[in-house]
Amino acid sequence: DAMVIQNPRYQVTQFGKPVTLSCSQTLNHNVMYWYQQKSSQAPKLLFHYYDKDFNNEADTPDNFQSRRPNTSFCFLDIRSPGLGDAAMYLCATSSTSGSYNEQFFGPGTRLTVL
Amino acid sequence: GQNIDQPTEMTATEGAIVQINCTYQTSGFNGLFWYQQHAGEAPTFLSYNVLDGLEEKGRFSSFLSRSKGYSYLLLKELQMKDSASYLCAVMDSNYQLIWGAGTKLIIKP
Repeated sequence: DAMVIQNPRYQVTQFGKPVTLSCSQTLNHNVMYWYQQKSSQAPKLLFHYYDKDFNNEADTPDNFQSRRPNTSFCFLDIRSPGLGDAAMYLCATSSTSGSYNEQFFGPGTRLTVL
Repeated sequence: GQNIDQPTEMTATEGAIVQINCTYQTSGFNGLFWYQQHAGEAPTFLSYNVLDGLEEKGRFSSFLSRSKGYSYLLLKELQMKDSASYLCAVMDSNYQLIWGAGTKLIIKP
């Protein structure tokens, strides 16, 4: 089945220790997104890629970086995680040739910062 | 600014009907989405409205009024598994999704 896969599902890191979250997709969608979601809050868009074009949201901290080496993979790097970065990180994809442009989400990675 | 408003929490009884409202103010409009999100899981797509009116999909229906900046999600014949958060999201003129904080729906037997 075509899907969006995120690894790991649960990540524990120490304050200030870099961490990388990964996302892969078999949907062949040209757009990929990274969201941060805290409990009972709306997902907050961090970055998105239209094909290789990178788009950084204005309020995304410099501590967050992203890479998309090819259509299928996308990475979120948190260079120096703080306690406030503990959250669920959601990867999503969409296709600009789709009928609704609806976003398909991976299962998420729950990040804990100790 | 851009804003999506929906109730924080609602409670309903198994087998009943519930309506979750969403009002929005966005720069441009390219459609409104409803997503379901179970606790600790990712959102899953439920419905899409871009024209005024009602879209029905099984037990779930979604309504849109663009002139009023208003939508609702109607859930019929509620089941315990419908206990989840329901997120309203509007696609703006830049084709970005503006998300509401979600409505937590609690179903009681």
